[in-house]
Amino acid sequence: AQSVAQPEDQVNVAEGNPLTVKCTYSVSGNPYLFWYVQYPNRGLQFLLKYITGDNLVKGSYGFEAEFNKSQTSFHLKKPSALVSDSALYFCAVRDPPPNDYKLSFGAGTTVTVRA
Amino acid sequence: DTAVSQTPKYLVTQMGNDKSIKCEQNLGHDTMYWYKQDSKKFLKIMFSYNNKELIINETVPNRFSPKSPDKAHLNLHINSLELGDSAVYFCASSQRTDYNSPLHFGNGTRLTVT
Repeated sequence: AQSVAQPEDQVNVAEGNPLTVKCTYSVSGNPYLFWYVQYPNRGLQFLLKYITGDNLVKGSYGFEAEFNKSQTSFHLKKPSALVSDSALYFCAVRDPPPNDYKLSFGAGTTVTVRA
Repeated sequence: DTAVSQTPKYLVTQMGNDKSIKCEQNLGHDTMYWYKQDSKKFLKIMFSYNNKELIINETVPNRFSPKSPDKAHLNLHINSLELGDSAVYFCASSQRTDYNSPLHFGNGTRLTVT
């Protein structure tokens, strides 16, 4: 079964510093990977995805993610974090057909950016 | 314009009651989902419907019954509510024919069973 792991429950950074949220994956076949963000009392919002192509994927709100096949990782990054980036971040993987309806999420990482 | 809307936003009820949560999407998607987020924020898929057909039915008590009257709607009915059902329930939608398309989520329904 496809799965993703987020090894850090919490990440704390100062505003203006680089932000990295880690994700590793375990899949059979080609991975279809996603990052979502959840602000308090809101639903999940899509940030970016990796399907094929360039290993560096750019997404919304200045976020990017680097796909690394040898390390089976898909870390989310932002060069300069903002206080407004404080939220819960989820890495997710889509199952291959015929179960490709299913998007499985990691446990989430809470990001706190201090002013 | 709300893409995926759920009602109600909050639901407080007593054990043993029956309640429903409604979901509607105006994105023209053909696939809809119910996810449950527990108190530790862990997200788990419950059901998925494609063109009104049940596709995914994870290990969920049969007290939970989804119903999809059309492609734009997916409701969740819960019988005999238990304390452990307290969670946030998210509806989502996507386009099955576009494998790359992300899921679009509603803002959730916070269910509290007392």
